[in-house]
Amino acid sequence: GDSVTQTEGQVALSEEDFLTIHCNYSASGYPALFWYVQYPGEGPQFLFRASRDKEKGSSRGFEATYNKEATSFHLQKASVQESDSAVYYCALSDQGGNYKPTFGKGTSLVVHP
Amino acid sequence: EAAVTQSPRNKVAVTGGKVTLSCNQTNNHNNMYWYRQDTGHGLRLIHYSYGAGSTEKGDIPDGYKASRPSQENFSLILELATPSQTSVYFCASGDGDKYAEQFFGPGTRLTVL
Repeated sequence: GDSVTQTEGQVALSEEDFLTIHCNYSASGYPALFWYVQYPGEGPQFLFRASRDKEKGSSRGFEATYNKEATSFHLQKASVQESDSAVYYCALSDQGGNYKPTFGKGTSLVVHP
Repeated sequence: EAAVTQSPRNKVAVTGGKVTLSCNQTNNHNNMYWYRQDTGHGLRLIHYSYGAGSTEKGDIPDGYKASRPSQENFSLILELATPSQTSVYFCASGDGDKYAEQFFGPGTRLTVL
């Protein structure tokens, strides 16, 4: 079945550091790929998506590029702020009529001032 | 703005008791989902629905039932609650489209004693 792997369980950075959270996926065909962010005490919220090879998704200074060859969708941000501290989830949805989403285990980002 | 609400927000139940978690969405989305969130596991899909009257098993359906009596409402039922079902449960809604993002509710914290 489909799967999403987030390598880092937790990432600790200082403000203005560069962020990379790795996401690799396994799926048949051409899934749509997503990033979600979850702040403490809230439900996850959609950050952005990409649906085809080499497409870049972006929002709020975060970005990721769909890489079909590497089966990756790594999240990056050039300069993190303390307010970016949250849990980040990579997700995919399969093709066809059965839209069944699959989430990674999440990466907790802590940004120190 | 998309709106997904969940009730109750907190619940303490006894082992062997019946628990019903409710979810309401005002987005007119066809699809609705139930997840549980546990440390080290991220978001795991329990049941989902394509519309009123339909329910589908997700990745971890054992011990859970679901009911979708209308477009707006989707319930998760634990007929015989067990301590292993202590978790935070999230409901989400989304269009019936592979590219559609999900809108999450605020979550229900369930403790089974």
